[in-house]
Formats: sequence, structure tokens, C-alpha cells
Amino acid sequence: QSALTQPASVSGSPGQSITISCTGTSSDVGGYNFVSWYQQHPGKAPKLMIFDVSDRPSGVSNRFSGSKSGNTASLTISGLQAEDEADYYCSSYTSTSTPVFGGGTKLTVL
Amino acid sequence: QITLKESGPTLVKPTQTLTLTCTFSGFSLSTSGMGVGWIRQPPGKALEWLALIYWNDDTRHNPSLKSRLTITKDISKNQVVLTLTNVDPVDTATYYCAQTPKWLNFYFDFWGQGTLVTVSS
Repeated sequence: QSALTQPASVSGSPGQSITISCTGTSSDVGGYNFVSWYQQHPGKAPKLMIFDVSDRPSGVSNRFSGSKSGNTASLTISGLQAEDEADYYCSSYTSTSTPVFGGGTKLTVL
Repeated sequence: QITLKESGPTLVKPTQTLTLTCTFSGFSLSTSGMGVGWIRQPPGKALEWLALIYWNDDTRHNPSLKSRLTITKDISKNQVVLTLTNVDPVDTATYYCAQTPKWLNFYFDFWGQGTLVTVSS
């Protein structure tokens, strides 16, 4: 069960849009519409931002959106704000009926 | 209001068994679809899913750790217990428990604050 592949870091200026990719295989990301995304600030527990590829939990800003194409899922943050600076993790259902996380991406707001 | 809180030892010696308890409120693990899982994060590293137990006693384990993990639930106490046998310094991590509301969907919408466990002699 290999971790999903995410870029180690991405950056953007306030107001800009950024996209974080999450690449897996047909046995996980590509095979199921069960991709979720989490935001984690330093020293804090992760927070669910997106589930089922593109659904937002109640209370999550609509600046956050999710999508998927083939074996790659993406998290897009529009109108970047300073408080968006955090680590982001993707997760997917796998063919072994267990979940797997990505390696994480550090977002820096310049 | 849904809350979860992890408890257990902060320091464990190599080869010992680690037992962690997740005590939750605001939901019932007897509700159809409901589950509670454990996820850990070594210092400075990524999240790693460990195990999950559902309302119907269905359990799932990380395949790479399956032989060392046990997860159980106590409905009457609103608790889920994780045991990890034969610990090693690489098991040093913050351990989180989290709720998942949908069977086999595997997203976690409420998390505990986490508990740091250090494995050292």
C-alpha cells in the first residue's frame, strides 16, 4: 500500500489560486470517487476540507474545491489567504478496502 | 457537539505493547455507518492510517501493520481501543482518533487533538 504522491511544496501570493495534485493508481484514486483532503496547521489536528472528490463539509469555505482526472486528484484554493498556509494531505479508498494518505504538501502564502 | 480525545502512555519501551483509548461524545458507535479510526503522524512526517472499527464490528487494518494491530470498541463507554504490539522507536508519533460517518468511505470529519507517544528505552 504505497502512499499517494503529492508535491512537497507549493506557494502562491494572496488572492491567487493554487492547485495541489495527488497522484495514485487505478487501484486507488483512479478507481473510486472516494478522495478526501485535509488541512493541518502546525501543532493541530487535521481538518477535513473535501470528501468524495469534490464535496465540501459544512463550514468549509467555497474557495476550496476538489476534482479528479484519471489517477490524479486535485485540490484548488482560490483567493489565497494568509490563513491557508498549512500542510495539506489527500487520502483515497483503495482496492484493499482500506484508505491511504498522500505524503503531504506544504503550502506557503508569500 | 462531537468530540474525541485520545489517552494513553506518553513513553513506551521497545518491544512493549502500546494501548491507546479514544473516548468520544456526540455520536454513537451503534449508529449505522458510523466508524472510528486511528491515524498517526511521526514528528515532521506524513499521516499514516492505522485501523478502523465500524458500528457493525467490521474492522480494517493497515496491511503493513496488520499483524501488530488490534482495534476494539466498548459501546457502553463510548470508547475505541487500539493496541500496537512489539513497538519500536519508529512507532514514535502523534496518534489521532477520528470519526468516519460513512461505511467504507474512509473520510474522517471529526478528529481528536492527538497524543504524542515516544518509544524509547
